[in-house]
Amino acid sequence: AQSVTQLDSQVPVFEEAPVELRCNYSSSVSVYLFWYVQYPNQGLQLLLKYLSGSTLVKGINGFEAEFNKSQTSFHLRKPSVHISDTAEYFCAVSGNQAGTALIFGKGTTLSVSS
Amino acid sequence: KAGVTQTPRYLIKTRGQQVTLSCSPISGHRSVSWYQQTPGQGLQFLFEYFSETQRNKGNFPGRFSGRQFSNSRSEMNVSTLELGDSALYLCASSLAISGTSTDTQYFGPGTRLTVL
Repeated sequence: AQSVTQLDSQVPVFEEAPVELRCNYSSSVSVYLFWYVQYPNQGLQLLLKYLSGSTLVKGINGFEAEFNKSQTSFHLRKPSVHISDTAEYFCAVSGNQAGTALIFGKGTTLSVSS
Repeated sequence: KAGVTQTPRYLIKTRGQQVTLSCSPISGHRSVSWYQQTPGQGLQFLFEYFSETQRNKGNFPGRFSGRQFSNSRSEMNVSTLELGDSALYLCASSLAISGTSTDTQYFGPGTRLTVL
């Protein structure tokens, strides 16, 4: 079975500051890892995903994440945030079989203020 | 290309009633998954359909069911509604051509169900 723990439920930051949203996962098999963002009253949008290869993954909107197998982590980072990055962020894991479910963390609310 | 569409966007029902939610995937996508999102439980997987067949099912009671049509459109049904079924129901579609789970799942805006 797989599980995901997002270590911070809320992260407040000032505009143009760097941010890191932390995610740890647990799995007995190889997994794929994802970060999704959800803006108010909208569905989820994929920021980035790790399938294999380079452990540093670059995504949309200037976000990147690093897969660390030894620490079973997949933290999301952005060097300089904008007000428009205010949203809820979800880390997710899935197995590699077709039809497998995405297992989501509880989410981290990123609040960017000026 | 149009995204995933879900209808209706908002729905209010009373306990004991049943409800049907609809999802139209992105053109060409063959897999449709459903998720329930609540403040307490977060995002939970309901089921996944591919070529009109349910391939995977989450841990939900039998009151929750779904189906997929030949054009890949999907519906989910909840019978005998309970107050705890109030949630945002999200549908996601993917190409599902690789035989693995590497294809990105694209989410719709969701249907907000309120049970009174």
